[in-house]
Amino acid sequence: DIQMTQSPSSLSASIGDRVTITCRASQGINNNLNWYQQKPGKVPNLLIYAASALQSGVPSRFSGSGSGTDFTLTISSLQPEDVATYYCQRFNSAPPLTFGGGTKVEIK
Amino acid sequence: QVQLVQSGSELKKPGASVKVSCKASGYTFSTYGMSWVRQAPGQGLEWMGWINTNTGNPTYAQGFTGRFVFSLDTSVSTAYLHINTLKVEDTAFYYCARVGILGVDYWGQGTLVTVSS
Repeated sequence: DIQMTQSPSSLSASIGDRVTITCRASQGINNNLNWYQQKPGKVPNLLIYAASALQSGVPSRFSGSGSGTDFTLTISSLQPEDVATYYCQRFNSAPPLTFGGGTKVEIK
Repeated sequence: QVQLVQSGSELKKPGASVKVSCKASGYTFSTYGMSWVRQAPGQGLEWMGWINTNTGNPTYAQGFTGRFVFSLDTSVSTAYLHINTLKVEDTAFYYCARVGILGVDYWGQGTLVTVSS
């Protein structure tokens, strides 16, 4: 099975900082990667699909990039409401649709 | 609008069974698959598998075979998760989530299953 490894597992940054989260697949998955945000006590929410497409309603400070095995989620200017755990997930026709281990983002 | 509404929290004893429902609305049920995702307290997301809502064919992730069963009632656009012979370590939130060609896009609100003697 393809493994998804996220880094870091947690980070603390200041308001306005640029934040970058990495997700690495153990095999190439083209651009078949989504990013989700889960705020404390809430349901996960789709942020980015197909590696770089912004889901409707998601603020433009969020962006995704990458293809193959290495992917990045970037928050261009961290806001208080961005405190959450972020997960990547691969998708395509071959299960399992593995999630990364998550990255917890906190405000410094 | 797309909605996935799950059944309420459950408190069960070890060895019992539980059935979690997920009622879909706002789209044609058979055109998207349904995934199930587990989240133990304070832990990450685990993909349990999915069911093809057109054929009824389930696919289970490793670690979710045997005691876990996905089913459908297409007449009421509802997916079900059955867990048999519950264990304390099954205590978790269970989410249904719609899955299409671009992966999981909509999630249910989650159902907390607590297993305790």
